[in-house]
Amino acid sequence: DAGVTQSPTHLIKTRGQQVTLRCSPKSGHDTVSWYQQALGQGPQFIFQYYEEEERQRGNFPDRFSGHQFPNYSSELNVNALLLGDSALYLCASSLRDSNQPQHFGDGTRLSIL
Amino acid sequence: GDSVTQMEGPVTLSEEAFLTINCTYTATGYPSLFWYVQYPGEGLQLLLKATKADDKGSNKGFEATYRKETTSFHLEKGSVQVSDSAVYFCALRIGFKTIFGAGTRLFVKA
Repeated sequence: DAGVTQSPTHLIKTRGQQVTLRCSPKSGHDTVSWYQQALGQGPQFIFQYYEEEERQRGNFPDRFSGHQFPNYSSELNVNALLLGDSALYLCASSLRDSNQPQHFGDGTRLSIL
Repeated sequence: GDSVTQMEGPVTLSEEAFLTINCTYTATGYPSLFWYVQYPGEGLQLLLKATKADDKGSNKGFEATYRKETTSFHLEKGSVQVSDSAVYFCALRIGFKTIFGAGTRLFVKA
């Protein structure tokens, strides 16, 4: 039973570029959340997708957008990259019941030069 | 706004010592509370959870009790092992959003 998988594992971009990160949820899960984890910090909630719609968003600018596909996989898009966007981006999946635990992927390490 | 504060690390203990990692929270409403652990080279894993006041979560010898009166969810273990060395994150979930603390790194010496 595959867990949460994310791709790519590492990515290097330059300022002003755009990036797309991908996530496949754990089998049986229908809800995907995205987090940004800066070095030495805890994960910060970006947004959550359920039934192909964003249903809650954290304190992130509109440069951060997402999508969920009918198979429950998800993408995180970041436009106009800034140096401060360098971080580990984590995807977590769960069932729609908000009390169910989330399962995390290993993340995508994004470096902005 | 909603937030989680946990004790700063690193925490260094000898094997078989007692562990406490403090966690307090601020939230509007009634959050669920969690402890996650990140072992070296691995992803975040759920360690334990509590969904309402006075609930005790437990797993792998770790325990934490949801204290509404003190807005706390302190993590404890009676006897730590070298294999417990990791980063521990306290978190709360309110609505569909999970808010994490900054993490506490634990080193356990043999």
